[in-house]
Amino acid sequence: DAKTTQPTSMDCAEGRAANLPCNHSTISGNEYVYWYRQIHSQGPQYIIHGLKNNETNEMASLIITEDRKSSTLILPHATLRDTAVYYCIVRVAIDASKLTFGTGTRLQVTL
Amino acid sequence: DSGVTQTPKHLITATGQRVTLRCSPRSGDLSVYWYQQSLDQGLQFLIQYYNGEERAKGNILERFSAQQFPDLHSELNLSSLELGDSALYFCASSRGGTISYEQYFGPGTRLTVT
Repeated sequence: DAKTTQPTSMDCAEGRAANLPCNHSTISGNEYVYWYRQIHSQGPQYIIHGLKNNETNEMASLIITEDRKSSTLILPHATLRDTAVYYCIVRVAIDASKLTFGTGTRLQVTL
Repeated sequence: DSGVTQTPKHLITATGQRVTLRCSPRSGDLSVYWYQQSLDQGLQFLIQYYNGEERAKGNILERFSAQQFPDLHSELNLSSLELGDSALYFCASSRGGTISYEQYFGPGTRLTVT
């Protein structure tokens, strides 16, 4: 699986959009970008994933650059409950085995 | 609520002992995964089962073993416990064994070895 690079931490004011970047410059054509988050010692929570097109669901939007070397997870209106560690994971499409978690980005949402 | 259940929530035991952690996957999910999260190692994949068969192995110690039963629930057995085995143990489930569907995680079992 391709390696990912994320900032260690970020702050965001409540009600504003949180934009979390991820670099995956060695991504292969058959690899998806997945985002998970972990809220303080709870089980990681799936957020969204994509291959090359931008994706949106009820939780977030995922913007993948045209060259697929980086992506941004957008939480449109961050709340205090979005405070968590966010993990960007690159994973082969036909490989249902492990998720490889890096150190992620610790997002702190403040009043 | 992810639909994945794990028991017990907390477990405190002594070094040298053996414990069993239990996981029930989401309805319809055939794959079960076990992960360990310790302070110094982060989230580490241990093992995957698909429809009763071992599918993939990660950094699982020989003292640890797992199985998936016909009703698809899974158990992780940890034996000869050491202080360093203290960690959060998560179970996750997903639909398939080949296609990389998203994984849904349970609330975890916090193991403390004293």
